Amino acid sequence: GAGVSQTPSNKVTEKGKYVELRCDPISGHTALYWYRQSLGQGPEFLIYFQGTGAADDSGLPNDRFFAVRPEGSVSTLKIQRTERGDSAVYLCASSLTQTGSSTDTQYFGPGTRLTVL
Amino acid sequence: AQSVTQLGSHVSVSEGALVLLRCNYSSSVPPYLFWYVQYPNQGLQLLLKYTSAATLVKGINGFEAEFKKSETSFHLTKPSAHMSDAAEYFCAVSYTGGFKTIFGAGTRLFVKA
Repeated sequence: GAGVSQTPSNKVTEKGKYVELRCDPISGHTALYWYRQSLGQGPEFLIYFQGTGAADDSGLPNDRFFAVRPEGSVSTLKIQRTERGDSAVYLCASSLTQTGSSTDTQYFGPGTRLTVL
Repeated sequence: AQSVTQLGSHVSVSEGALVLLRCNYSSSVPPYLFWYVQYPNQGLQLLLKYTSAATLVKGINGFEAEFKKSETSFHLTKPSAHMSDAAEYFCAVSYTGGFKTIFGAGTRLFVKA
């Protein structure tokens, strides 16, 4: 089947605008993760969903960031009042089981490159 | 708390030479350890993972890594580099019951002809 897909692949916005980034996980994967990857850095954990609920949102940097997964499949990462420092590649991953399990393997999407001017 | 340190942001090897990418971790509980590869404009791909079974883990594309608890290391090796191995490599750690995967800053591998 298809892998993890993310749309859009690129998003350019102006400071202060609102953006939504979408993630379509692999069908049947209950766990979904969002990461942010800044230039020259490794992915930084943002939030983890098990099914519809956010099991761990401790990585969200502030209350401008919010993510939902209303039906336990597609997820949307929402950023309000964007700032230049939000510019990064936002990665989504899904896995069959929850992370922290010996069988967990995360499959990553290609990412959305967000540029805030 | 868990953390990962990758020694060397850039590594350059000649084609056919040994590849050695270093990773040290910090974890207060038994860890799960991973190596991922990222090719330009592509998502991260899992190379291999350690989940407390065999300490020598074999992955895809001829890569392997050895878990050394006494050294808190999980270095990635490949006996003979190919041009196609040029990419960014990330070491990562998680643990039983944890929700986060913590990634290192990455090592970019260059392969010279």
